[in-house]
Amino acid sequence: DAKTTQPPSMDCAEGRAANLPCNHSTISGNEYVYWYRQIHSQGPQYIIHGLKNNETNEMASLIITEDRKSSTLILPHATLRDTAVYYCIVFTSGTYKYIFGTGTRLKVLA
Amino acid sequence: ETGVTQTPRHLVMGMTNKKSLKCEQHLGHNAMYWYKQSAKKPLELMFVYSLEERVENNSVPSRFSPECPNSSHLFLHLHTLQPEDSALYLCASSQPSGGLNEQFFGPGTRLTVL
Repeated sequence: DAKTTQPPSMDCAEGRAANLPCNHSTISGNEYVYWYRQIHSQGPQYIIHGLKNNETNEMASLIITEDRKSSTLILPHATLRDTAVYYCIVFTSGTYKYIFGTGTRLKVLA
Repeated sequence: ETGVTQTPRHLVMGMTNKKSLKCEQHLGHNAMYWYKQSAKKPLELMFVYSLEERVENNSVPSRFSPECPNSSHLFLHLHTLQPEDSALYLCASSQPSGGLNEQFFGPGTRLTVL
């Protein structure tokens, strides 16, 4: 079973920030939070990952709560091309295994 | 372009056919993966190879047979499939290091079993 819980769908206006939440209340100390997205019928694409600290790259920001039980992926200025299914994954260091959940279907509206 | 290619992109086969899916990565990674994505279901990990050794087999039926002849190539041999095996089959590669395991996915093979 997936170790994460995400809302099934969200809408966001184009140009606004999209904030996608994820709950991972059973996360362990050696587990990282990874985010991927999948645009219709393509392979998933890596976005960002983190352990404890907040992270930012050219695509997004990842905010992890102090207790690490939840996180938020922020797309600062959503565009129509950001419409996709977003997956939050808990990954155990030293293994190979991702367990994908059902993700959040983000629709960016013009 | 992720550096991971898959062929064919689409495949239609009968239940008695034998076919193979091919994946090639041009990233110098040492781990390769097969995933299955059925309609309305999450991606399911099928197999993982690390340095050409199989390290994960997620209770996949024997009608799916993986092969990793070298670190750049991965095959999935298919025989006597069922209609419920129709799905998008995705290949990925990575260079795991501690907590870092960014996986690069190919575009997938859309398989239809008649």
